[in-house]
Amino acid sequence: GAVVSQHPSWVICKSGTSVKIECRSLDFQATTMFWYRQFPKQSLMLMATSNEGSKATYEQGVEKDKFLINHASLTLSTLTVTSAHPEDSSFYICSARDDAEQYFGPGTRLTVT
Amino acid sequence: SQKIEQNSEALNIQEGKTATLTCNYTNYSPAYLQWYRQDPGRGPVFLLLIRENEKEKRKERLKVTFDTTLKQSLFHITASQPADSATYLCALDPSGGYNKLIFGAGTRLAVHP
Repeated sequence: GAVVSQHPSWVICKSGTSVKIECRSLDFQATTMFWYRQFPKQSLMLMATSNEGSKATYEQGVEKDKFLINHASLTLSTLTVTSAHPEDSSFYICSARDDAEQYFGPGTRLTVT
Repeated sequence: SQKIEQNSEALNIQEGKTATLTCNYTNYSPAYLQWYRQDPGRGPVFLLLIRENEKEKRKERLKVTFDTTLKQSLFHITASQPADSATYLCALDPSGGYNKLIFGAGTRLAVHP
């Protein structure tokens, strides 16, 4: 099946700093990628849809100025958490669509201290 | 309101038995439904996709059914093994197309030797 990678796999940052997470589709091109957030023992919550060459579409309640998304190429999307706070600590997962199927990255554990 | 419901209680079964997990949805008309497996601290792994015009789909020991009248999908694992222990998520596209996915909360399966 298709492979999606994320980097870094985990990151610890101080409150007020910004963190960038990369999502790459390794063996296919993805015009659309998705960013999810998952809190412990909860399901994945869709944050935004990342479209190559255009602005991301954010879900209701997600601050677009706080979670900056850039889909620079057909294989790379980045999520930047700006001015991170402890409540932003979570498991961030990206996915890329290949036809009707979505393939997920391994996730990035963000801890804001 | 729109929602996807999975049994939030863990399902405990004996090795060799068939595990059956349920996914119910309300106020959606999805063109397809997907099932994923998620292990702790990892991203979801795609298992099966079933379209609205398909009643059943199989893949090795896995079987999925899709009843659009009942608005329900059942996910079966036959001859279950301890290695099948994980959280299983169902997901659908709320637009009825092939765009973004939203997820149920997942059901944790524990297969005991």
